[in-house]
Amino acid sequence: DTAVSQTPKYLVTQMGNDKSIKCEQNLGHDTMYWYKQDSKKFLKIMFSYNNKELIINETVPNRFSPKSPDKAHLNLHINSLELGDSAVYFCASSQDRSWDEQFFGPGTRLTVL
Amino acid sequence: GIQVEQSPPDLILQEGANSTLRCNFSDSVNNLQWFHQNPWGQLINLFYIPSGTKQNGRLSATTVATERYSLLYISSSQTTDSGVYFCAVSNKAGKSTFGDGTTLTVKP
Repeated sequence: DTAVSQTPKYLVTQMGNDKSIKCEQNLGHDTMYWYKQDSKKFLKIMFSYNNKELIINETVPNRFSPKSPDKAHLNLHINSLELGDSAVYFCASSQDRSWDEQFFGPGTRLTVL
Repeated sequence: GIQVEQSPPDLILQEGANSTLRCNFSDSVNNLQWFHQNPWGQLINLFYIPSGTKQNGRLSATTVATERYSLLYISSSQTTDSGVYFCAVSNKAGKSTFGDGTTLTVKP
């Protein structure tokens, strides 16, 4: 019955590897987001998708590639992982693209060694 | 982009005390939300409040959009209120910006 779910919850990997984080929402929302929270707790938006269409891309390195197979899923693939990618990544969703009330997933803590 | 400033950055309270957290923003916003990030890292919606006043139990929030600020009131604080409180705003383009948060510690 979880509204926004993410897998995995923890991800530990070596520099240079490629990894994916999955996100699913069962709220029937049209818009989904990825956020990055760094070690100082600062939260920044990375991407936003509305009905599988990219609407916001915030100067994120092109090693990060979001993929939305349908409006209930927004996955994040990261190539050639770097130490600075270590962070907590949150997925969120909202009813529409004008950033209606957002609901967040539990987060994925990524550690790059 | 819109600048969001939260104050105070840190707050330590004794259980039972009241507090007010402030969020100032630099431009007109379409939406505003308050979140609580608990010590386990979970982000919990508190209020969706682009304008006006809302109350939920011991918490209430007021946004004065014309003056570009929002306040979050916590009354009779409990240790479970500890964590980081974030204010987040978005403009008409849908781009959201989070403040740096207020870290609240409630001592028993």
